[in-house]
Amino acid sequence: SQWGEENLQALSIQEGEDVTMNCSYKTYTTVVQWYRQKSGKGPAQLILIRSNEREKRSGRLRATLDTSSQSSSLSITGTLATDTAVYFCATNTNTGKLTFGDGTVLTVKP
Amino acid sequence: GPKVLQIPSHQIIDMGQMVTLNCDPVSNHLYFYWYKQILGQQMEFLVNFYNGKVMEKSKLFKDQFSVERPDGSYFTLKIQPTALEDSAVYFCASRDSHDTEVFFGKGTRLTVV
Repeated sequence: SQWGEENLQALSIQEGEDVTMNCSYKTYTTVVQWYRQKSGKGPAQLILIRSNEREKRSGRLRATLDTSSQSSSLSITGTLATDTAVYFCATNTNTGKLTFGDGTVLTVKP
Repeated sequence: GPKVLQIPSHQIIDMGQMVTLNCDPVSNHLYFYWYKQILGQQMEFLVNFYNGKVMEKSKLFKDQFSVERPDGSYFTLKIQPTALEDSAVYFCASRDSHDTEVFFGKGTRLTVV
């Protein structure tokens, strides 16, 4: 597997709290993409961060990428109950293969 | 925003029968994907497809699996014959370049009985 064993986790927090999810990868990637998947739906991309970027923001979301340690994080500030979902990071080869990590099950309690 | 459509949303099929899952990707996209997800588990890469050819496939993409997109129509995943372990949700995805945003469909839930 190209993923570190620490990827699979479940987090339960209160609405309004901030949360950070991490992933690590073992092989080269051109981009790291963070996805959210709600129950019964397909994944939806949240942020795409390229290998030459250290940080990317989008609204309440912030992604970081450290290519030297091959790790990425996704932070959500001021969480809402509607942020409850599974969050995946995914790596991308230069031939377009997109591979997902195990994911983080985030539950935000109202 | 751009949408990937998958037809049907649910399919129940007898073991050993053939099934074809259909995907209507975003119109100007060039890269196409199939993923398999068993309930509560990871999204598993099956195959990616570009310029009429399979680019890469995983170990999950068994010999009974095939993909095609004849004449720019549906991108299809065919399983022949099906096995019980093929029961899962299959997601189709597409994008316009090898490292841009990937758009996923809502999935087809396949149940093999």
